[in-house]
Amino acid sequence: GAVVSQHPSWVICKSGTSVKIECRSLDFQATTMFWYRQFPKQSLMLMATSNEGSKATYEQGVEKDKFLINHASLTLSTLTVTSAHPEDSSFYICSASGQGAPGEQFFGPGTRLTVL
Amino acid sequence: GDSVTQMEGPVTLSEEAFLTINCTYTATGYPSLFWYVQYPGEGLQLLLKATKADDKGSNKGFEATYRKETTSFHLEKGSVQVSDSAVYFCALSDRYTGNQFYFGTGTSLTVIP
Repeated sequence: GAVVSQHPSWVICKSGTSVKIECRSLDFQATTMFWYRQFPKQSLMLMATSNEGSKATYEQGVEKDKFLINHASLTLSTLTVTSAHPEDSSFYICSASGQGAPGEQFFGPGTRLTVL
Repeated sequence: GDSVTQMEGPVTLSEEAFLTINCTYTATGYPSLFWYVQYPGEGLQLLLKATKADDKGSNKGFEATYRKETTSFHLEKGSVQVSDSAVYFCALSDRYTGNQFYFGTGTSLTVIP
């Protein structure tokens, strides 16, 4: 099946710094990528949807200036958490979909962000 | 709007017990239905899926049948193992809402020897 990777798998940073998380589709062209956030023992919360070459669509309540999403190519999307604070600590998961499997999303392994 | 309602956990079973995790859905169109599994500290892995009514998805001994009449997609396994301990998420994808995924709240399963 399609493979999606994320990097880094975990990151610890100081409050006020910015952190970039990469999401790559390794063996298919991802026309759409999704970013989710998961709090402990909770379900996934969709943060934003991005289509290659266009601006991301953010879900209600998600600060677009706080969570910058770039989808510059068909295999790479990045999420940058700007001026991170402890409340941004969470598990961030990306997923990707492409034309080869309509209606299906392939999930990355997730990135654990801890802001001190 | 579209939504998924999933049986609340946590669920604790003895090894070789029968497992059922209930999932019902509400959708505008004709969704695809999925079960994902998440092991501790990891991302989501697709367990099985069904794309139309009466389809049965199966994998690793797990099964779920797409029941349109009851809008359900219950997950079952005849004999669970300790290695099945994980969180299970039911989800739907609806073309009428741009293939956005709607997840259930997740059900934590612990299998004890």
